[in-house]
Amino acid sequence: DIVMTQTPLSSPVTLGQPASISCRSSQSLVHSDGNTYLSWLQQRPGQPPRLLIYKISNRFSGVPDRFSGSGAGTDFTLKISRVEAEDVGVYYCMQATQSYTFGQGTKLEIK
Amino acid sequence: QVQLVESGGGVVQPGRSLRLSCAASGFTFNIYGVHWVRQAPGKGLDWVAAISSDGGDKFFADSVKGRFTISRDNSKNTLYLQMNSLRTEDTAVYYCVIMYYVDSWAFDYWGQGTLVAVSS
Repeated sequence: DIVMTQTPLSSPVTLGQPASISCRSSQSLVHSDGNTYLSWLQQRPGQPPRLLIYKISNRFSGVPDRFSGSGAGTDFTLKISRVEAEDVGVYYCMQATQSYTFGQGTKLEIK
Repeated sequence: QVQLVESGGGVVQPGRSLRLSCAASGFTFNIYGVHWVRQAPGKGLDWVAAISSDGGDKFFADSVKGRFTISRDNSKNTLYLQMNSLRTEDTAVYYCVIMYYVDSWAFDYWGQGTLVAVSS
């Protein structure tokens, strides 16, 4: 199984400041079709997860452009350019290249 | 719009069975594979099972293989998860999830979830 490891597990951030979350996979996420199926989800308190980013860097419908994704192979990053209060929650990376596995989650909170 | 509504959760004793349902609406259910993903209280997300659009292919996480079965009734736009021999570690919110946009190959629509609590 592919193991997804996120850092940090907790991230206190000041409103208006940037935030960054890293995700590393135990093996390359490049699929045989050439695509990399790495996505990012946000889970606000008491809510189901919500898709933010798919295939490394594509923002899903309705996702603000302050969210961006990058990376390749085994190393990926989610960045929030300016954190807003509504961004509080837990963020998960997920791979769908070989079955489906999630990172442990990173809790974003306001300082 | 796409809607997934889970039901059937509750409190059950270890070793007993429970069947979850997921009612789908707002899209053409019979052309999409569907997944179950669970989340133990205060923990992260775990993929549980998936079924192809016609029900012919089924996939399970090792942790539930042999105990859980997945099925669907396309005439009723409904997905099922039959959970047998339940263990305390199966306690979780169970979400019904689809990859609606084929290009995304990501879990883009989620239900609200149904809570299963396995306890004596």
